[in-house]
Amino acid sequence: DAGVIQSPRHEVTEMGQEVTLRCKPISGHNSLFWYRQTMMRGLELLIYFNNNVPIDDSGMPEDRFSAKMPNASFSTLKIQPSEPRDSAVYFCASTWDRPPYPFFGQGTRLTVV
Amino acid sequence: SQELEQSPQSLIVQEGKNLTINCTSSKTLYGLYWYKQKYGEGLIFLMMLQKGGEEKSHEKITAKLDEKKQQSSLHITASQPSHAGIYLCGADPNFGNEKLTFGTGTRLTIIP
Repeated sequence: DAGVIQSPRHEVTEMGQEVTLRCKPISGHNSLFWYRQTMMRGLELLIYFNNNVPIDDSGMPEDRFSAKMPNASFSTLKIQPSEPRDSAVYFCASTWDRPPYPFFGQGTRLTVV
Repeated sequence: SQELEQSPQSLIVQEGKNLTINCTSSKTLYGLYWYKQKYGEGLIFLMMLQKGGEEKSHEKITAKLDEKKQQSSLHITASQPSHAGIYLCGADPNFGNEKLTFGTGTRLTIIP
């Protein structure tokens, strides 16, 4: 398996623009997580899906952020409109019950100027 | 919510020396994960500990879970340049494949 695949790897956008991050989980995994990593706050869980259903989105910072998982092999994280403080590395991770530890993608480094 | 504090925040060690990284939880640990991250890359799973007193080893890395102290330690023996990176501990409040929260991370630098 190729692992968790995220795209793009790098994204530079202007403040106010819409940004969409994409994730393809490992085939057969039923849980998917979106994390954000910054120097100040470390690794934060944004949202968690189980069997394509959002279970906990309490980590989503505000209404500008939204995430979808239309099927078991694809998820998106959208920021609209983007702001400079959204600059961070966004990770997607997936897992199954056994083993229960998440497999992480390579991340998307987002820079909002 | 469960909070994980790692110490030290950064560590500079001469190649060949041993080192220990600690992870302390604000709540009872039902499961503890250790990951390693290289700059610009994703997190690589190292080990998972489930039971109090459990100890696991992989090559020169040993991790132990002390439930009573709500703490886990990661010990590297005879450190090598390949050990350099950021080490993060993670915990699932119920060890049920739910919200996994992470510590602040420990940045390890190995000096030749």
